[in-house]
Amino acid sequence: GDSVTQTEGLVTLTEGLPVMLNCTYQTIYSNPFLFWYVQHLNESPRLLLKSFTDNKRTEHQGFHATLHKSSSSFHLQKSSAQLSDSALYYCALSRQGGRALIFGTGTTVSVSP
Amino acid sequence: SVLLYQKPNRDICQSGTSLKIQCVADSQVVSMFWYQQFQEQSLMLMATANEGSEATYESGFTKDKFPISRPNLTFSTLTVNNARPGDSSIYFCSSRPRDTQYFGPGTRLLVL
Repeated sequence: GDSVTQTEGLVTLTEGLPVMLNCTYQTIYSNPFLFWYVQHLNESPRLLLKSFTDNKRTEHQGFHATLHKSSSSFHLQKSSAQLSDSALYYCALSRQGGRALIFGTGTTVSVSP
Repeated sequence: SVLLYQKPNRDICQSGTSLKIQCVADSQVVSMFWYQQFQEQSLMLMATANEGSEATYESGFTKDKFPISRPNLTFSTLTVNNARPGDSSIYFCSSRPRDTQYFGPGTRLLVL
C-alpha cells in the first residue's frame, strides 16, 4: 500500500538557522498528491504546502518544497527558522482528490533562541 | 474549504463504557474520515464514511470496536465501544472536499 517516510523524529535548532525535513513516499500511482501539514501544540493539523506537479517548487509562509517523482521525495525547507516554527510537521500522500491522506510519522521541530 | 466541529472537546470515561464523538460540517461533504492520534505521534486513518453506506475501516480498526454512522452529508458519529486505557488519544474528524484535507478540532479521550 501507499506509505510516507519521515526519517527525523525530532529536529532541534537555533533561531535563524535553516531547516530541512525529509519526506519520501511509496505508491504505485503515477500522479500522487503530496502535502505538508503543520500541527502546533493543542491544535489540529493544518495545510502548509501541497504539490501535484513534478519538479515544481511550491512556497508558503517562508517554507518551500519540490516534488521529485524520480526520487519519490518532497522535502520541506526554510532558510531561516523562527521560534514560531516550533511544531509537529507531517508529510502526507494521496492518490487522488477526495481520498483520505496517508500521513508519515511526523517530525517535531523545536526552535530555540 | 469546510469547517468541521466536534463534540465533546474532551471526555473522561471508565474502562468498559462506550462514548460517542460527533462531527458536524458547515457544508455538505461526500466523505468524512476519522483519525486517531496518540500523544505527539502520527495521525492514523481509522475509517472513511460516506453517506448511506457502511464505513470502510483501515487495518487495525473494526466496526465492532469503532462503529461509525453517516446519516447525512454534514454529520458523522464515531463510537468507542468497550473503552480501554489504550484507546486514550485524540480523535479527529476530517474531510477533503477538493485537494486540501481539513480537520476538526479533535476530541481528547482519557479512559481510566
